[in-house]
Amino acid sequence: SQQGEEDPQALSIQEGENATMNCSYKTSINNLQWYRQNSGRGLVHLILIRSNEREKHSGRLRVTLDTSKKSSSLLITASRAADTASYFCATGSINYGQNFVFGPGTRLSVLP
Amino acid sequence: DTAVSQTPKYLVTQMGNDKSIKCEQNLGHDTMYWYKQDSKKFLKIMFSYNNKELIINETVPNRFSPKSPDKAHLNLHINSLELGDSAVYFCASSLGANTGELFFGEGSRLTVL
Repeated sequence: SQQGEEDPQALSIQEGENATMNCSYKTSINNLQWYRQNSGRGLVHLILIRSNEREKHSGRLRVTLDTSKKSSSLLITASRAADTASYFCATGSINYGQNFVFGPGTRLSVLP
Repeated sequence: DTAVSQTPKYLVTQMGNDKSIKCEQNLGHDTMYWYKQDSKKFLKIMFSYNNKELIINETVPNRFSPKSPDKAHLNLHINSLELGDSAVYFCASSLGANTGELFFGEGSRLTVL
């Protein structure tokens, strides 16, 4: 299975602190994406990083990808209460067709 | 304008019934998907359609059948509902196969009693 797994399962921090979530996967990939899911809502795409990229930034988000370790990290800087959500990584591979495989997610709680 | 819309948002029904969930996207995307999210928040792909052609079909019981009248719609029909079918079902679309970014609907919470 190429399923990604996020770590930690749950994370609780204070507003203003940085939050780091990790994702590990098992097989080769073409790209890796991070999504956010607010409670009771659909998933929202945050950022996509391709297998030939090592780091991408988008606002307060920083994503790294280490294909040798088959892992990725999502860093949210200067967190806000509104960042409270579940965060999922999803891997895409040409070998698996359109099967974007999601991990179980990290539940982030940002306390005011 | 809602990009990916699915109805109904909530569905409560008895075991053995047949139900459908509808999905429409107005993004002009070629590929649509159905995902199932269980109580532990695991998201599993069920089906994907590209230009009305079923591309992948994971180990989903044949009680579940996707129907795509056109590339903007992918409906999910479920026969003989079972307790284990209770979950949140998400429709999603992407520009094309393996072209990244999935756009999700808000989900349909199915409860089977």
